[in-house]
Amino acid sequence: GQNIDQPTEMTATEGAIVQINCTYQTSGFNGLFWYQQHAGEAPTFLSYNVLDGLEEKGRFSSFLSRSKGYSYLLLKELQMKDSASYLCAVRGVGDYKLSFGAGTTVTVRA
Amino acid sequence: GAVVSQHPSRVICKSGTSVKIECRSLDFQATTMFWYRQFPKKSLMLMATSNEGSKATYEQGVEKDKFLINHASLTLSTLTVTSAHPEDSSFYICSAGGTVAFGANVLTFGAGSRLTVL
Repeated sequence: GQNIDQPTEMTATEGAIVQINCTYQTSGFNGLFWYQQHAGEAPTFLSYNVLDGLEEKGRFSSFLSRSKGYSYLLLKELQMKDSASYLCAVRGVGDYKLSFGAGTTVTVRA
Repeated sequence: GAVVSQHPSRVICKSGTSVKIECRSLDFQATTMFWYRQFPKKSLMLMATSNEGSKATYEQGVEKDKFLINHASLTLSTLTVTSAHPEDSSFYICSAGGTVAFGANVLTFGAGSRLTVL
């Protein structure tokens, strides 16, 4: 089975940095994804990690440590539009199915 | 980029009726699509894997006779909620693989369908 944990809510100020942690315990691992989801909309792909280390993509970076079952998503230079839910998802071995964490709601304040 | 279209975006129905939700891959072919369900402020829960030309694979605890899935072509999967009840009210989202990024097949999601059963 899959067990994926991430904080429920986080609040930060515009222009600041926020780090969203995700820990996972899975029966198989073939990559970790981060998605952004605005209320009532579809999740949109942000990043993917399958090897240990940091992946940087503009203002967003994602880190993975497979031995620790740990990942984080780093959002820099926060903007109001970054207020959304951020979903951590793990892919199992042998298929494309994703198991999602409950999501972290980030609120950016002026 | 890959686009997945889902229709309808919102539907309200009476208890006991059936509702069909369509999921289409617009610019790519998808032999496999996934159907998720999401409750307010909760995670996406995988319901089933839709396989083109064969039966869907349901996750444990999901009633296959309740949630009928048909994947008749490489670009269309449908989810039919049969004899809907108020507890079936939820946000249903489909997804399909269509983009390769960072060496991974990235799932693209439809915009979701909000079902309200009265």
